[in-house]
Amino acid sequence: QVQLQESGPGLVKPSQSLSLTCTVSGGSIAGGLFFWDWVRQPAGKGLEWIGHIYSSGSTNYNPSLRSRVTISSDTSKNQFSLEMKSVTAADTAVYYCARYQGRRGFDYWGQGSPVTVSS
Amino acid sequence: QSVLTQPPSLSAAPGQRVTISCSGSNSNIGENYVSWYQQAPGAAPKLLIYDNDKRSSGIPDRFSASRSRTAASLGITGLQTGDEADYYCGTWDSRLGGWVFGGGTKLTVL
Repeated sequence: QVQLQESGPGLVKPSQSLSLTCTVSGGSIAGGLFFWDWVRQPAGKGLEWIGHIYSSGSTNYNPSLRSRVTISSDTSKNQFSLEMKSVTAADTAVYYCARYQGRRGFDYWGQGSPVTVSS
Repeated sequence: QSVLTQPPSLSAAPGQRVTISCSGSNSNIGENYVSWYQQAPGAAPKLLIYDNDKRSSGIPDRFSASRSRTAASLGITGLQTGDEADYYCGTWDSRLGGWVFGGGTKLTVL
């Protein structure tokens, strides 16, 4: 059974960078035809796709966030990470990591990591 | 404003059937696979349907889905109070080059 767990600071100051890590267990991020994704959800609002990294290491980002986001992976630790620069209050949300399998959708999700951007 | 349009809320009585619509365009629903997610309050989203109409493992057959041209729908029969949740459709958008979600539908089982 694949499990994902987000970790990172719950509070980030405006204009600084947000960094989150997703640790995957029960499966290797380096193998298989999987994408490893980040999705966020502001309180009381809908889901927003941030981007993903493929098992090969290639990435794709939401065009509206591309200039501020980097997703990377560390296969030795079976982790992938999100860095978002120059955050504002609008980036306050619960951040989820998830596994995306193309036509099979997002089949595994982490429990979510709440991040507040505030001074 | 979401790329995929869902009704913000729906309500129905226990035992009844409800249909949640998801309207898109040629560049998303029209040419890519749709999936549906259920999100209970305070929980992470859960995959219900993938590949337009296939139930994920462990999802009862009370849940069904379909896709036609640029629209998709999720049907739930025999509504139970445990079905109260937010439901999201999602698919890849070839023009935007990214994944898009609907705005979500809050289902209330009265």
